[in-house]
This record gives sequence, C-alpha cells and structure tokens, in this order.
Amino acid sequence: AQKITQTQPGMFVQEKEAVTLDCTYDTSDQSYGLFWYKQPSSGEMIFLIYQGSYDEQNATEGRYSLNFQKARKSANLVISASQLGDSAMYFCAMKRTNAGKSTFGDGTTLTVKP
Amino acid sequence: GAVVSQHPSWVICKSGTSVKIECRSLDFQATTMFWYRQFPKQSLMLMATSNEGSKATYEQGVEKDKFLINHASLTLSTLTVTSAHPEDSSFYICSASRGTGGPWETQYFGPGTRLLVL
Repeated sequence: AQKITQTQPGMFVQEKEAVTLDCTYDTSDQSYGLFWYKQPSSGEMIFLIYQGSYDEQNATEGRYSLNFQKARKSANLVISASQLGDSAMYFCAMKRTNAGKSTFGDGTTLTVKP
Repeated sequence: GAVVSQHPSWVICKSGTSVKIECRSLDFQATTMFWYRQFPKQSLMLMATSNEGSKATYEQGVEKDKFLINHASLTLSTLTVTSAHPEDSSFYICSASRGTGGPWETQYFGPGTRLLVL
C-alpha cells in the first residue's frame, strides 16, 4: 500500500528565513509523481510543486524547491525567504501510474512569525 | 488556466434534507474528478473518483446511496448528500485532472464547500 508520512504536525519559522517541511513516502512502484499543496485557512488547496520519480533534477518553482532523495524515499519541500502569507497547512501527496487518485499525508501546519 | 469552481461555498441545512454540491472545471475538460471530505486539522479523505459518463468508484467505507456522484459532462460533477445528518457536516472538496490518471497529472482543486447540518 502507498503511504505518505509527514512527521511534523506543526512548524514555526521566522519571516525571511528558509524552512524545510519533511515528507517520506512508501511505494513499490517505479513510476510515480510527488506533489506539494498549500491549504490556507480559506480551505482551498493550492498546487505548489511537482516531482516525477524519473526526474533527475530537483523541482523548483519560485521560492519553492523540492529536495528529492529517491533512495531515501523523501521529498522535502523547502520554502525560501518565508513570508507571512506562507502560514498555512501543507500537504505532500503521491500519485501512482494509472491510479488517478493521490495519497495525501497528514499535513504540516506552518506558522511564519513576524 | 486550470480553474475549478465549487458551488455553493457554504450550506446550512436541516437534518433529513438533501444537499447538492457542484464542481466545475472552468477552462479545461476534466476527464477525472475526485471528491474529498476533510475534517478540521486533518488530511483529505478521498470519497470517490468519477469519470465522465461512467459510474463513480467509491472508496471503501463510503456509502454510495448516501453520497451520490454524477459526472454528467467533462466540466461538471455533482455530489449529492442525501438525507443529511449532523455527522455529515464537513468540508467537501472536489478536484479535477485533465488526463486519465498518469502520475504526472496535477489535480486542481476547487475552493471547497462547508456543509453544516443542523
């Protein structure tokens, strides 16, 4: 069975500093996709970044980067230069080949302090 | 692009009534739509996957007769909570993807619907 583990229920970071949100996954598939989503208090799930299992380079999208370590089955999200608006819940998710649906972790609540 | 809308955003109803929630992909055709339920401070729980023109695939433990899902077109899926009870109160989120399920396909989420059953 596929499983996503986010071990940090809550994280605090000072404004303008970088923060790493952890995500480990468990799958026997060779082809899979890893996603990070942000969910602010409004509830909407916002897609942040994607990493394919065959991608050799770590994905980056603006201030977001994904530290992908395939052998360790980890896909940590790094947010650089944190902003107050980054305060939200963050979910790591995985999609298998042809499964369609995603498996989500339990989420990490990030609070950015001024 | 890739905008998904949900309507209504809030609904309060009396116990025993049915509530319909609409999910629309506004600028793309959604081959697959997903319905999730989320309790406060918890992760998303997948309820069902729907493909246009076919019956929805429900996750284990989700009552098909209570949560009716219809994916009538490539841009519209509806979730009807039949005979709603207070325990059905939750945040319901839909998502849509363009393709047929490849691991590279991003799911685009609607803004969610908060249901409160009195």
